[in-house]
Amino acid sequence: SQKIEQNSEALNIQEGKTATLTCNYTNYSPAYLQWYRQDPGRGPVFLLLIRENEKEKRKERLKVTFDTTLKQSLFHITASQPADSATYLCALRDLGGGYNKLIFGAGTRLAVHP
Amino acid sequence: GAVVSQHPSWVICKSGTSVKIECRSLDFQATTMFWYRQFPKQSLMLMATSNEGSKATYEQGVEKDKFLINHASLTLSTLTVTSAHPEDSSFYICSARHSRSYNEQFFGPGTRLTVL
Repeated sequence: SQKIEQNSEALNIQEGKTATLTCNYTNYSPAYLQWYRQDPGRGPVFLLLIRENEKEKRKERLKVTFDTTLKQSLFHITASQPADSATYLCALRDLGGGYNKLIFGAGTRLAVHP
Repeated sequence: GAVVSQHPSWVICKSGTSVKIECRSLDFQATTMFWYRQFPKQSLMLMATSNEGSKATYEQGVEKDKFLINHASLTLSTLTVTSAHPEDSSFYICSARHSRSYNEQFFGPGTRLTVL
């Protein structure tokens, strides 16, 4: 069956450290993968997009990697701050089977402590 | 730019009534809009995809007669939950895709629906 899995347990880290979140997928052929931030009671906010032929993408303190062999994406926040505390969602656009829609993982909640 | 708004941000209604939620793209034209539903601590589940001027495409298991979607213009889509029941209580989020950027979707702030 098709699955997108993110660590359901909250990630607690100390301010200044690097947070690493994982997204694994099964039985999808994503053209690209996206990461979103979602605050409680709010809609997702787009952060980064990485295509299947890209290994790494950076934006300020954010870095995303995409390994199509492992079927995994890693999302890093360096020099984390308490303001980075939120739920982070990975989403992939699957073109397999003629579909073209954004499919979300359940998200990982990140808590950055001062 | 690329702002999507939703109205209302929250609504409480009695069982059996209908509720309409509006989704607007404020500064761009959205040829395609999407409606998602999210239960607590769960992922966003796509309900339907609507293209301006045509009928919405519903995901498997979503009742099209219960969740009426209208996408009458390039900046407005509406979702009407008909004969709402407590199990319809959820967080409804719309998303819009810019006509010029196929890869990006911009999300609204969501609407919290509580059916008593």
